[in-house]
Amino acid sequence: AQSVTQLDSQVPVFEEAPVELRCNYSSSVSVYLFWYVQYPNQGLQLLLKYLSGSTLVKGINGFEAEFNKSQTSFHLRKPSVHISDTAEYFCAVSAIIQGAQKLVFGQGTRLTINP
Amino acid sequence: DGGITQSPKYLFRKEGQNVTLSCEQNLNHDAMYWYRQDPGQGLRLIYYSQIVNDFQKGDIAEGYSVSREKKESFPLTVTSAQKNPTAFYLCASSIGAPPRALHFGNGTRLTVT
Repeated sequence: AQSVTQLDSQVPVFEEAPVELRCNYSSSVSVYLFWYVQYPNQGLQLLLKYLSGSTLVKGINGFEAEFNKSQTSFHLRKPSVHISDTAEYFCAVSAIIQGAQKLVFGQGTRLTINP
Repeated sequence: DGGITQSPKYLFRKEGQNVTLSCEQNLNHDAMYWYRQDPGQGLRLIYYSQIVNDFQKGDIAEGYSVSREKKESFPLTVTSAQKNPTAFYLCASSIGAPPRALHFGNGTRLTVT
């Protein structure tokens, strides 16, 4: 079975500072990894995904993530955050079981940007 | 514009009543999913459907039921057997063979008192 652990439930940072949101996963099968963002009272939007190839993945809004197989991690980074980045961020791992995709989410990290 | 529509946005029910949450998509996606979101617990899979007239239980299916009579629609019924139904419910869909990113609706917040 696969699982996802987001190591920080809340991360406060100042505007224009860099940020890293940590995600570790476990899986007994090949993994595909995603980061989603959720603004208050809305659904989730895809930030980026790792399916194969380059381990450094670039996404929308200036975010990027690095897949590290040896450390089973997929940390999300942004070099300079903006007030509008305040949201909850979810890491997810997808496993393909009997042809069906099951996406398992971490508990979420609430990112708060202070002016 | 293509997307997933969940209605209503807020729903209030008395304990013991069944309630149905609507999810409609015009993205022509084959697969649809229902997730439940509780504070600090992330999203948990309730049911999913890969094709019309077929669906499978997710990790927390007890107390819920679904149907998939049309490709565009995947309604979720929260029955009186669900012991703690108050939550934020999210519907999602995806196209093509996995792995594929999910597209989400804006959710329905259900409050049962």
